[in-house]
Amino acid sequence: DTEVTQTPKHLVMGMTNKKSLKCEQHMGHRAMYWYKQKAKKPPELMFVYSYEKLSINESVPSRFSPECPNSSLLNLHLHALQPEDSALYLCASTRGHSYNEQFFGPGTRLTVL
Amino acid sequence: GDSVTQMEGPVTLSEEAFLTINCTYTATGYPSLFWYVQYPGEGLQLLLKATKADDKGSNKGFEATYRKETTSFHLEKGSVQVSDSAVYFCALSEQGGSEKLVFGKGMKLTVNP
Repeated sequence: DTEVTQTPKHLVMGMTNKKSLKCEQHMGHRAMYWYKQKAKKPPELMFVYSYEKLSINESVPSRFSPECPNSSLLNLHLHALQPEDSALYLCASTRGHSYNEQFFGPGTRLTVL
Repeated sequence: GDSVTQMEGPVTLSEEAFLTINCTYTATGYPSLFWYVQYPGEGLQLLLKATKADDKGSNKGFEATYRKETTSFHLEKGSVQVSDSAVYFCALSEQGGSEKLVFGKGMKLTVNP
């Protein structure tokens, strides 16, 4: 298995809703990432988990809450989002520790109404 | 800090035309260099990579050579196809491995039949 999967593919939520995005990989990778991508822009790094511990938080607002339950799974919990948070959310993984080739999932297209 | 500068486009070519997308970088030491491609509605896919000076990465007819003297990693393809229509991102990762990728702004390519 050489892919990163993300669910759901599309998500529409209101500003008072709570939802979660899920990312999974079964390549034995030990580092996992969340990115946010706006239209016509490169991905912006949000969080990095290395060996199941949060190693980087790029000053992301607390309405985004990451979770890494195990080495294969990464969640992003969403609460009280704003319309400007509408974007493509990408998950990626690497083997970790100096292996810097990142494998990306297909993304979740999030719309906040 | 490290940075990547690439042609932004958009660029429109006819099928079978020659493609060059320029990419230059600023970084200390010997970063790893990557080209990622994003097809419409999808996540990023690694197209090719190079990890040391004079390395040539190649995949699907695309090539790029790591040029330390000019700090460049230009992407080329001799004959583009309609299926190559996508956004192309040049990226780097710091020498010795880093949890972060530094992306260029991306270039949208459209290939017409």
